[in-house]
Amino acid sequence: QQQVKQSPQSLIVQKGGIPIINCAYENTAFDYFPWYQQFPGKGPALLIAIRPDVSEKKEGRFTISFNKSAKQFSLHIMDSQPGDSATYFCAASMGGGGNKLTFGTGTQLKVEL
Amino acid sequence: DTGVSQDPRHKITKRGQNVTFRCDPISEHNRLYWYRQTLGQGPEFLTYFQNEAQLEKSRLLSDRFSAERPKGSFSTLEIQRTEQGDSAMYLCASSLEAGGQSNEQFFGPGTRLTVL
Repeated sequence: QQQVKQSPQSLIVQKGGIPIINCAYENTAFDYFPWYQQFPGKGPALLIAIRPDVSEKKEGRFTISFNKSAKQFSLHIMDSQPGDSATYFCAASMGGGGNKLTFGTGTQLKVEL
Repeated sequence: DTGVSQDPRHKITKRGQNVTFRCDPISEHNRLYWYRQTLGQGPEFLTYFQNEAQLEKSRLLSDRFSAERPKGSFSTLEIQRTEQGDSAMYLCASSLEAGGQSNEQFFGPGTRLTVL
């Protein structure tokens, strides 16, 4: 049972563009929604996370938008750069970041010059 | 380097052999997690520890898999009688649980297992 569905599977944007990655979850008990960035040969690294009591959170060029009623959340990357080319995973957990994470299937992003 | 470290980084073994991986978490972190990641997929939770206590195991973790964290510091994940389907990246993560506050998980670089 896939509890977190992520789309698209891959994405190509031009430098400066705003890629948007979407996730949908099923379990209403989830209360922590992080996004992770993973480069080839490396472990995932936390980018930004949100809890369901807010609808938007910004950290630098990364923004999470959260829609609790629709059980959806998305990652926007402003002014994307070639160095942002990586695989991005959404995830969800119950009880905060220190509990088991359920990950989406990942989005491979390529930012072209 | 004070991040999560894993050893070995790569392991090639033949079907039926046993393998053991080690994870050293960030020193003050009391929670340690194991995940498995196959090509083109997100990490899947296997098990986690708080100090030396194993608090949860996924149904993915068959009887051939065992994890330990004997002194609440480093952890080992052993796979007995490996199968080709065990080929994956095994990721370790750690976090600090303090005063009811659950904090982010920091991941190690992973151990890539190939079973021939």
